[in-house]
Amino acid sequence: QVQLVESGGGVVQPGGSLRLSCAASGFTFSSHVMYWVRQAPGKGLEWVALIGYDGSNKHNADSVKGRFTISRDNSKNTLFLQMNSLRPEDTAVYYCARDPYVKGTGGAWLDPWGQGTLVTVSS
Amino acid sequence: QSVLTQPPSASGTPGQRVTISCSGSSSNIGSNPVYWYQQLPGPGPKLLIYKNNQRPSGVPDRFSGSKSGTSASLAISGLRSDDEAEYHCAAWDDSLSGPVFGGGTKLTVL
Repeated sequence: QVQLVESGGGVVQPGGSLRLSCAASGFTFSSHVMYWVRQAPGKGLEWVALIGYDGSNKHNADSVKGRFTISRDNSKNTLFLQMNSLRPEDTAVYYCARDPYVKGTGGAWLDPWGQGTLVTVSS
Repeated sequence: QSVLTQPPSASGTPGQRVTISCSGSSSNIGSNPVYWYQQLPGPGPKLLIYKNNQRPSGVPDRFSGSKSGTSASLAISGLRSDDEAEYHCAAWDDSLSGPVFGGGTKLTVL
């Protein structure tokens, strides 16, 4: 079945870096737009970044521009999020999610989602 | 501060009908379809309603969605205890070039 499994979360000091991974299985990974969405403790969902199915189209939320980089390795069915210059306000559970359209251009239809990985930025 | 506005909480008794509202603007709900996600404690969100009012297979017809102008709503009829969860609305935002979400509504079944 279609599955997304995130990894790489942990505790990091302010200003530090972390790289998240999302392993995809059960579908043709290279045909789908992929997203990172986060949820801070007690808060709603916030879109972080998206990447086109072939990696050529990338968009970041303003809150992470210049600090976070989304990428993908279609040969390994894996999505990444490189997070630099981390701030306490980046503390959240980070989810990866798939756009179900084949070779789509992006939208708000995200299905499925992974189980999330917790990132804590604290000294 | 979320781009879309939802009430932080809602409640009802078993068997009742509950509605959750979601308000946006012309750049998101006003010009793009609305999606609803259910988040139970633990796992990631699950798609509940797509394209304003469509249900994925496996979602009971007790769940329904509607949209009018820059607002949308989710209705749950025949409320059950296992409907207790957080519900999030979402829509693409043409100005931000990304999906935007509501702050989530925590539904309590009394």
